[in-house]
Parts: sequence; structure tokens; C-alpha cells
Amino acid sequence: KAGVTQTPRYLIKTRGQQVTLSCSPISGHRSVSWYQQTPGQGLQFLFEYFSETQRNKGNFPGRFSGRQFSNSRSEMNVSTLELGDSALYLCASSLSSGATNTGELFFGEGSRLTVL
Amino acid sequence: GENVEQHPSTLSVQEGDSAVIKCTYSDSASNYFPWYKQELGKRPQLIIDIRSNVGEKKDQRIAVTLNKTAKHFSLHITETQPEDSAVYFCAASVGGNNRLAFGKGNQVVVIP
Repeated sequence: KAGVTQTPRYLIKTRGQQVTLSCSPISGHRSVSWYQQTPGQGLQFLFEYFSETQRNKGNFPGRFSGRQFSNSRSEMNVSTLELGDSALYLCASSLSSGATNTGELFFGEGSRLTVL
Repeated sequence: GENVEQHPSTLSVQEGDSAVIKCTYSDSASNYFPWYKQELGKRPQLIIDIRSNVGEKKDQRIAVTLNKTAKHFSLHITETQPEDSAVYFCAASVGGNNRLAFGKGNQVVVIP
């Protein structure tokens, strides 16, 4: 089985621009979560999608948004980029079905965003 | 709240010694506690997890213990090897939701 695939792997943007990141989960996984990783801050939860619906949301501003398609692929968008948005954005998929069925997360390699 | 705290932030051990990383959490509804290992430049990967109905779980050289009353859980690595050098993240499920709150990570360095 192919793992979680994220594109692009690296990208550089300037302040004020917007960016879209893509994530293809493991086949059969319907839950996709997004995390922001920065040095010293660990993994901070952005949002989780299940069956095209946002099921959970973290404490990030509205500039961060996402969506999920019928094939479970997910995208996240960051608008009006700020310097502080520079980070590794990790996507993770899981077999989780129910709202309380927390299970193993399978992470992608991440998209490293640099904002200049 | 959903705070997860990890201590220490950096840990250096001699090869062959044991390493212990401790995490505390604040959400009394948390019932799932995984540990992820992230090697330099790689993706985080699950190494062990424990659910709230169990106090301890072991898998070869790694073990996790859970104290729900005190709201803390620990990762134990015995007979450490250079390949154990990595950042280790603990996490706790948040309330009844299918989401995890992660700690900030521990850098473990195994000195040959």
C-alpha cells in the first residue's frame, strides 16, 4: 500500500500570498488531519476531515482552511501568508471511523513552507 | 483544556542505558495516549500507544506506563542504541473527539 503523499514537498512564498497544499491518504483511510510543525512548538493541530466534513478544528485563524474530496484526498489553504506561517505542514490519515475512535495516525513527509 | 507537557526537552544517554520521558496531560476525558518517534528529516511514526483501561504496555525495548489519577504517562526505552536517537512526541486524545494534542517533543541523543 502506498503511504500518505503530500505535495509539494518544498515551497517558498512571500508575505501576503496564498498557498494550497495537497494530501493523498492511504487507500481506505477516510480521516485526514493536518498539523503544523515548528521548532520548539511540536505538532499543532489544524483540522481533521472525515467523509468530506470538517470534524475537528484547532485554534488557528480563519486564514487556514481545508477541504476533503470524495476520494478522501485533502487540501489545506493558507491565505494572506505571514512570516510566522513558515513551518512544516504534516498531513496524517487514519482508519478512524467514529468520532471517538482515535487510532494510529500515518503521517506524510510534509510540505515545508517558507514565507519570505 | 488540552495541554500536553513533556519533560525533559532534551535527554542524552549513554548507549546501553535506559531513557525515560514523562508527559502530563490536563484533559480528564483523554483515553488514548500514543508515542511517536521522528528521526531527523523523516515523518513521525507511531512506536507504542496505550489506552486508559491499561496501566502498562511493553513492546520489546520500549514500554509505556499510564497513571490516570495523576494524569501522567511515561515512555521507557531500555538498552538504548544509536538508532534510538530521535525526537519523541507524546500525545493524548482530546475529550471525546478523534483528535490528538501533542507535546512539544523530546530530543533523545544516544551517545555511543
